[in-house]
Amino acid sequence: QVQLVQSGAEVKKPGSAVKVSCKASGGTFSGYPISWVRQAPGQGLEWMGGIIPIFGTLKYAQKFQGRVTIAADESTTTAYMELSSLRSADTAVYYCARARQQYDFWSGYESWGQGTLVTVSS
Amino acid sequence: QSVLTQPPSMSGAPGQRVTISCTGSNSNIGARYDVHWYQQLPGTAPKLLIYGNNNRPSGVPDRFSGSKSGNTASLTISGLQAEDEADYYCCSYVGSTTYVFGTGTKVTAL
Repeated sequence: QVQLVQSGAEVKKPGSAVKVSCKASGGTFSGYPISWVRQAPGQGLEWMGGIIPIFGTLKYAQKFQGRVTIAADESTTTAYMELSSLRSADTAVYYCARARQQYDFWSGYESWGQGTLVTVSS
Repeated sequence: QSVLTQPPSMSGAPGQRVTISCTGSNSNIGARYDVHWYQQLPGTAPKLLIYGNNNRPSGVPDRFSGSKSGNTASLTISGLQAEDEADYYCCSYVGSTTYVFGTGTKVTAL
């Protein structure tokens, strides 16, 4: 079973950017889509986008287009999510998650990181 | 607002059957797209409970089951247990490169 370990909590100023990492271990990395999902305090889950590392195939939710950048480094089995132009509404826990099936973004996400709290405050 | 609507809360006595609905439309659940279900215990990451409408990953108790009919998917807990108290989310691809979670349902064991 793959394990996903995310980077630590961040406090950012409005207008700045944050980059969260997600290191995978114990399983195959390259062909499995990694997505990023966020959860604002007391709110539901929101899919932001994802990547298939071996192809670099990217999919972004329309809401975040132009503001989020997702990348992956196969050599270190690490995925990254960078969100720019931060505002207070971006305060949330950000999760990475690995898809159940290779090459299929929509097959369900079976492995999740522990979450990274990003707080945006002046 | 999500295009997948769930009841905000449901409750039941231990041992009771609880069914959570997830209502979409002809363009998502009513189309060919699979529905998945996640369980989120307080303070933890979501856990995949059901994939592909009605399949359980290894390790998920068989009291959890999923189904889909028309524009509605359902998650049933047959024999509610105290440890099932959690938030439950349906999820589906809804086209236009968009993956959407439902509005979420908080389940309470009375």
